[in-house]
Amino acid sequence: ETGVTQSPTHLIKTRGQQVTLRCSSQSGHNTVSWYQQALGQGPQFIFQYYREEENGRGNFPPRFSGLQFPNYSSELNVNALELDDSALYLCASSPGPYGSYEQYFGPGTRLTVT
Amino acid sequence: KQEVTQIPAALSVPEGENLVLNCSFTDSAIYNLQWFRQDPGKGLTSLLLIQSSQREQTSGRLNASLDKSSGRSTLYIAASQPGDSATYLCAVFNSGGSNYKLTFGKGTLLTVNP
Repeated sequence: ETGVTQSPTHLIKTRGQQVTLRCSSQSGHNTVSWYQQALGQGPQFIFQYYREEENGRGNFPPRFSGLQFPNYSSELNVNALELDDSALYLCASSPGPYGSYEQYFGPGTRLTVT
Repeated sequence: KQEVTQIPAALSVPEGENLVLNCSFTDSAIYNLQWFRQDPGKGLTSLLLIQSSQREQTSGRLNASLDKSSGRSTLYIAASQPGDSATYLCAVFNSGGSNYKLTFGKGTLLTVNP
């Protein structure tokens, strides 16, 4: 059984640029959630996708957007990058969208904005 | 709004000690609580998941308890080893309107000295 994978591992971007991060969910999982973890902080929920639809969103501006594909993999897009967007971006997959399901996290993408 | 607090922020112990990490949350309407381990710059590894109807879960040297009514959980690590050195994160999955996301604490940085 393949776990959650994310790409790329590391990324360096310049302020104002756009970035796309990718996540492949664990086999059999139809839900992907994205989290942002700043240095020294706990992860903060960005949004969740369930069966290709956004199912919930945290307190992040619209320049953070996402997609989920028919194979349940997902993308996180961030436009007009700001220095504060520098963080570890984590995706988690689960067999369903609600709290009764355990979340399985990927290794993360480290984004640095200069 | 759910808030999760972890005490202490950092802990340093000699190898072989038993130790307790604490987690508290403000809203007791939760589906479950998860404890995670995070190595520096890496993703999250799930250690234990406690459903709201359960009081505790055990895995090897780890034991997690949950007192939902008082909004508290503890992670007990027996006979600590240098390999246990990591950040330990507690997270809760709310029921109700925002029942699609985990809310995390900031973590406890554990160092086990040989």
